[in-house]
Amino acid sequence: GQQLNQSPQSMFIQEGEDVSMNCTSSSIFNTWLWYKQEPGEGPVLLIALYKAGELTSNGRLTAQFGITRKDSFLNISASIPSDVGIYFCAGQRDPSGSRLTFGEGTQLTVNP
Amino acid sequence: DGGITQSPKYLFRKEGQNVTLSCEQNLNHDAMYWYRQDPGQGLRLIYYSQIVNDFQKGDIAEGYSVSREKKESFPLTVTSAQKNPTAFYLCASSIPAGEGGETQYFGPGTRLLVL
Repeated sequence: GQQLNQSPQSMFIQEGEDVSMNCTSSSIFNTWLWYKQEPGEGPVLLIALYKAGELTSNGRLTAQFGITRKDSFLNISASIPSDVGIYFCAGQRDPSGSRLTFGEGTQLTVNP
Repeated sequence: DGGITQSPKYLFRKEGQNVTLSCEQNLNHDAMYWYRQDPGQGLRLIYYSQIVNDFQKGDIAEGYSVSREKKESFPLTVTSAQKNPTAFYLCASSIPAGEGGETQYFGPGTRLLVL
């Protein structure tokens, strides 16, 4: 079952604002992944993190792998209307297996 | 043009019928997965396969069955035993990355509606 706490559950922001969301867990993860899903589509991988403390950017998106291995955050700078969607975090705990644990998602709405 | 394809995009099923959802990937990934997504919720794992001719149950396998006869294909059958099959079904495949990690990529999904 779900073991990742993702927050906030939803966000309503104005175009141009910065956004921050995070995922936390009581368990240690060795991989963190961030996805974006638009209505009726499959999730698209945004950023993958493999090392504690790693900070990775993809355009206006930046994500970090927490130093304790129990959390990760995603920032979006200068939001635009096409950023609208649901953002999911996912973590992998067991290096010998491949199952992911997913957060429940952050619904982002950007007002023009 | 590599990727994961799922067909059909929409599928209608009468109560009591089995239906099979297709998932094909040409990424040469060893591992493949099936997830179910209900409105406003996250993804729940149904079945996964780390290698051809082998698969394991996920968190909600009851009422579903899979096969993995080829590396490229991982079809999911929703049987009549699945009492609430209406959902969005997502297939994924993964490749090893980082230090023992895996990176999963998703297909476009199939929406199943029970009539």
